[in-house]
Amino acid sequence: QIKLVQSGTEVKKPGASLKVSCKASGYTFTRYGITWVRQAPGQGLEWMGWINSNNGNTHYAQKFLGRVTMTTDTSTTTAYLELRSLRSDDTAVFYCARTLVDYSGRPYYSDYWGQGTVVTASS
Amino acid sequence: EVVLTQSPGTLSLSPGERATLSCRASQSIDRNYLAWYQQKPGQAPRLLIYAASSRATDIPDRFSGSGSGTDFSLTISRLEPEDFAVYYCHQYYRSPPYTFGQGTRLEIK
Repeated sequence: QIKLVQSGTEVKKPGASLKVSCKASGYTFTRYGITWVRQAPGQGLEWMGWINSNNGNTHYAQKFLGRVTMTTDTSTTTAYLELRSLRSDDTAVFYCARTLVDYSGRPYYSDYWGQGTVVTASS
Repeated sequence: EVVLTQSPGTLSLSPGERATLSCRASQSIDRNYLAWYQQKPGQAPRLLIYAASSRATDIPDRFSGSGSGTDFSLTISRLEPEDFAVYYCHQYYRSPPYTFGQGTRLEIK
């Protein structure tokens, strides 16, 4: 069955960097993209960006530009989210989600989600 | 960037009742590139509806989506106890960045 399994809870100091992994299985990895979504405590869902697992093309939300990098390793069918210069308001749950892709490489909606990675950024 | 506004913020209903949740976009979403997700506490979001009205795999037929242009809705025909959760609409029209609505909390009355 299709599964996305994320890495575990992280506690970071402000200013540090974070790297979250998302191991995909049960489907052809390169036929889909991966979207990353952030959810602060008690808040809604925030689209951070996505990566096309076939060609590595990315698109990041404006507010994360310069601090975020999304990558994939097709040999291990794993996606990664790196977020640098962490701030206290980066405390959140981070989700990866399998994302359908159209013929031109544009992302559609996400259908399967990881379990989430809890990140606390605090001194 | 397309802004999605969901209403109401909270909806209080009883099991067996009908629920209608609204999602309004700041600009027209062509091809009905709109999805709905359900999220329960401590869980990841779950895809319910895509392309405004297509049910995702294994979603019960009491869930239905409708709308076009800037106005979309999610209807739950008869509420079951497990339906009480937070619901988000999500647009994936044009090129990224994509956006979510702020959510509607469906609570037991």
